[in-house]
Amino acid sequence: RKEVEQDPGPFNVPEGATVAFNCTYSNSASQSFFWYRQDCRKEPKLLMSVYSSGNEDGRFTAQLNRASQYISLLIRDSKLSDSATYLCVVPRGNTGKLIFGQGTTLQVKP
Amino acid sequence: NAGVTQTPKFQVLKTGQSMTLQCAQDMNHNSMYWYRQDPGMGLRLIYYSASEGTTDKGEVPNGYNVSRLNKREFSLRLESAAPSQTSVYFCAIGREGIYEQYFGPGTRLTVT
Repeated sequence: RKEVEQDPGPFNVPEGATVAFNCTYSNSASQSFFWYRQDCRKEPKLLMSVYSSGNEDGRFTAQLNRASQYISLLIRDSKLSDSATYLCVVPRGNTGKLIFGQGTTLQVKP
Repeated sequence: NAGVTQTPKFQVLKTGQSMTLQCAQDMNHNSMYWYRQDPGMGLRLIYYSASEGTTDKGEVPNGYNVSRLNKREFSLRLESAAPSQTSVYFCAIGREGIYEQYFGPGTRLTVT
């Protein structure tokens, strides 16, 4: 099993739709999780951090299911500007290093 | 306040040539990282430096060397470039004990 696994997509949704991505992780001891957003040919940028059961920021909600070892990212009322690749990221123990998933690509269409 | 800067933005090398990728930060973070990103492979850690004067290998260090010149700068050197090193290279920074990392704009390297 990969340490961090994501469905690469692409997810093609119309504007205004709600879309959710899942990410599974293998290390049950992981305590913190991150979602990064990466626009085409740009650097990854931190979108959300998840330290407990979940986090919400406007239209974006991240939820953590420790029993099943997955994290989800929910985007409500999708905008064209949400089109990007979303990277699920898990720290590698206490090393300060991060493990990146391959990313899930979202295309929001008018 | 530029955050993390990388030079050059683009580079084309012939097999066997050498080059150094430069990374500099103005955020006073201790940790610095070099990643490569390839299609379908995600971001993979090449080397990292937890503080000035220390460096350590990541997942894919072969063919690379690094130098942490001071707290601000962390360079990545390819001594003898190979086509397999064609990739996008990102430098990132982070604070000790904090897992969020901040990335530079990347260097797109092609080795022919």
